[in-house]
Amino acid sequence: EAGVAQSPRYKIIEKRQSVAFWCNPISGHATLYWYQQILGQGPKLLIQFQNNGVVDDSQLPKDRFSAERLKGVDSTLKIQPAKLEDSAVYLCASSLERKGLREQYFGPGTRLTVT
Amino acid sequence: AQKVTQAQTEISVVEKEDVTLDCVYETRDTTYYLFWYKQPPSGELVFLIRRNSFDEQNEISGRYSWNFQKSTSSFNFTITASQVVDSAVYFCALSASSGNTGKLIFGQGTTLQVKP
Repeated sequence: EAGVAQSPRYKIIEKRQSVAFWCNPISGHATLYWYQQILGQGPKLLIQFQNNGVVDDSQLPKDRFSAERLKGVDSTLKIQPAKLEDSAVYLCASSLERKGLREQYFGPGTRLTVT
Repeated sequence: AQKVTQAQTEISVVEKEDVTLDCVYETRDTTYYLFWYKQPPSGELVFLIRRNSFDEQNEISGRYSWNFQKSTSSFNFTITASQVVDSAVYFCALSASSGNTGKLIFGQGTTLQVKP
């Protein structure tokens, strides 16, 4: 079974530029998560999709971050414009509910550096 | 509020030593799940174990063991006879049942360095 795919793996941009990350979840997984992991910290949930609908985006900085999951499969996370504090690893995860528990599988992440 | 605390920021041991990583959690939910993940230098989070709040039995898997104590809200992780390949950042995480969204709350992580 193929895992969660993410691209690019690394991205360096200047502040005020725009950037987009792509995630392809495990086939059949209805739930998709985007986490932000700042260096030295644990991952923090940005947004969660169930199929193509948003379940939780309470910690997404909506003035600059946006995400979509068209057709309930792939997802794109965008930052526009980027700030220095957005430097982090962006992790995508997907899950398949099993007996009420959503076990999450993580992708390799995209490391973003904003200069 | 839900919170996970990993008080140990960094631990350094010599190969073959035993090491315990501490995790303390806070939640008002009666049903919840606790997790441990390993993050090697490659960056990918690797699932190690899941425990639900109704199962307080300790678990052993090879050199890994977990001690879940509801009375102290702790879910500690012990590596026996550590190896250099165990060097990584380890995260404890909590998923509460309220809303059943599956959202994970992570601790700050503990960096484990195993020296040869």
